[in-house]
Amino acid sequence: DQQVKQNSPSLSVQEGRISILNCDYTNSMFDYFLWYKKYPAEGPTFLISISSIKDKNEDGRFTVFLNKSAKHLSLHIVPSQPGDSAVYFCAASATYGQNFVFGPGTRLSVLP
Amino acid sequence: DADVTQTPRNRITKTGKRIMLECSQTKGHDRMYWYRQDPGLGLRLIYYSFDVKDINKGEISDGYSVSRQAQAKFSLSLESAIPNQTALYFCATSSSLTSGTYNEQFFGPGTRLTVL
Repeated sequence: DQQVKQNSPSLSVQEGRISILNCDYTNSMFDYFLWYKKYPAEGPTFLISISSIKDKNEDGRFTVFLNKSAKHLSLHIVPSQPGDSAVYFCAASATYGQNFVFGPGTRLSVLP
Repeated sequence: DADVTQTPRNRITKTGKRIMLECSQTKGHDRMYWYRQDPGLGLRLIYYSFDVKDINKGEISDGYSVSRQAQAKFSLSLESAIPNQTALYFCATSSSLTSGTYNEQFFGPGTRLTVL
């Protein structure tokens, strides 16, 4: 049973529009969340994080929102660019950034 | 130069063979991890090591073993490979957690292993 779920395997968005990637989790002990981006033939790279004491964290075009009561987080990319086309993994930790549980990933395609 | 390197990048082997995947890092990190990625399942933790004398099983350690030869090196072995170990394997590193910071993991480029 997956503790971290990304129910959309893929998402296509037009360049310049907003991309919204969703992540749901089941373990109420999770208190730290990360998003990673992965290009083909490369390892995942860190994108943005959020701790459970916040409900929003912003870094340039990337914003992560956390809704603890719903056990849901989302990654917003505005505006989306073709270079954002990648697989995005959501990851959660129950011990403030120690071992993470990863979701299955969402493949984002940003169309020019 | 890559901070986290994995060798080999691709390997095809046969059922029953012993395989070793190697990971080296120049980041000076004390923590190292091995994950496997399967379609639809994301990355699952196989083993992790918080320092040279510390080895811990992850979510899916059965059929695997590891060795932390030095702070910079962490190898993963499949003693007798089987087809359902066909996957993409990633090594990652991180630094000890300090107050107020997060434990970002840095990943290698991956090893694609096929067991026939």
